[in-house]
Amino acid sequence: QVQLKESGPGLVQPSQTLSLTCTVSGFSLTSNSVHWVRQPPGKGLEWMGGIWGDGSTDYNSALKSRLSISRDTSKSQVFLKMNSLQTDDTAIYFCTIASGVYWGQGVMVTVSS
Amino acid sequence: DIVMTQSPSSLAVSAGETVTINCKSSQSLLYSGNQKNYLAWYQQKPGQSPKLLIYWASTRQSGVPDRFIGSGSGTDFTLTISSVQAEDLAIYYCQQYYDTPYTFGAGTKLELK
Repeated sequence: QVQLKESGPGLVQPSQTLSLTCTVSGFSLTSNSVHWVRQPPGKGLEWMGGIWGDGSTDYNSALKSRLSISRDTSKSQVFLKMNSLQTDDTAIYFCTIASGVYWGQGVMVTVSS
Repeated sequence: DIVMTQSPSSLAVSAGETVTINCKSSQSLLYSGNQKNYLAWYQQKPGQSPKLLIYWASTRQSGVPDRFIGSGSGTDFTLTISSVQAEDLAIYYCQQYYDTPYTFGAGTKLELK
């Protein structure tokens, strides 16, 4: 069955780079797109960006200068890298398949010194 | 970017009532090529990932109770929940997937009166 699971550090220092991994199973990354969505504590959902089946990417305009999404199809993994982190980047980070039906459980990332 | 405006931001209801949540997009989500509206509705309960309820503005995801009804076209959309049950207390989000960056509404919190 389709599964997605996010992993990464729970704590990142301000100005540092966040690296997250979404490990997927049950579907092909070359036939489906995977997207990252984040949610600050007590706030709404924000679409960050996605990587399509052909490997092309799209990003949220507000994050584009800091964000990079890539993948390793041989490992069924999608990566998120975002630099220059600030405290308002503290959030739960989710990965989801394009259809929106399947989501990971999310990983909480706190930006703090 | 397409802006999604949801209303109301919160709604207090009693079990058995019918509720309506509105979502307005800053541009049409109706693609003329297939006459489909690229609008989804999600339900999110505390501590959980979002759950897809409705896609193509009015198509219920498999397993979603038929008391959840999506309607609307173009720029104005509605999620109606008939005979609200206690398990429906959650935050509801609309999302457009007509164009990247995909964008969410700010959410509507359904609470008990």
